[in-house]
Amino acid sequence: GQQLNQSPQSMFIQEGEDVSMNCTSSSIFNTWLWYKQDPGEGPVLLIALYKAGELTSNGRLTAQFGITRKDSFLNISASIPSDVGIYFCAGHGYGGSQGNLIFGKGTKLSVKP
Amino acid sequence: DAMVIQNPRYQVTQFGKPVTLSCSQTLNHNVMYWYQQKSSQAPKLLFHYYDKDFNNEADTPDNFQSRRPNTSFCFLDIRSPGLGDAAMYLCATSRGFSYEQYFGPGTRLTVT
Repeated sequence: GQQLNQSPQSMFIQEGEDVSMNCTSSSIFNTWLWYKQDPGEGPVLLIALYKAGELTSNGRLTAQFGITRKDSFLNISASIPSDVGIYFCAGHGYGGSQGNLIFGKGTKLSVKP
Repeated sequence: DAMVIQNPRYQVTQFGKPVTLSCSQTLNHNVMYWYQQKSSQAPKLLFHYYDKDFNNEADTPDNFQSRRPNTSFCFLDIRSPGLGDAAMYLCATSRGFSYEQYFGPGTRLTVT
């Protein structure tokens, strides 16, 4: 089945540093979504991307839908302690069961004050 | 604010004792989903409703059932919970299949 490879698995950074994480797939995706999940809570949608090449920002977050439709990245600028959490990429591929959002395994972000 | 609400946030049940988790939405979305999430893993789709049309994922155990009595509410019934069913259960909604999904805060299920 379709899979998303998300990297890195975890990151330990200093407050104020920029962060970059990405997701790749061997097959084409028509949607890329980025979520943040805090412990004990549901994932919160950060950015949704629908067009190849699309670059979208949400505050200090920027995400891009890769031109090949097989990858996406998320950047966080000037990280702060509340950025701590698990970030998931997710997408809708072609040919999968309807409604099935494919998830990456997540990137766990730790920020040292 | 429009949102996805899950009750209760924490549920403890005994091995084999049926349990129902509930989800409601004020987004008026067509599709409602139930996911199971175990520690340090991504959410795993159990089933979804598009309006009244129900779709079960192939590997969802028969022990898990769902009901959607109206647009706003959806329930997850676990008929005979086992220890392996202890997890976070997430409800999500979307306008349609290819749109972004909005998640509720989840219900943490403990099986004793």
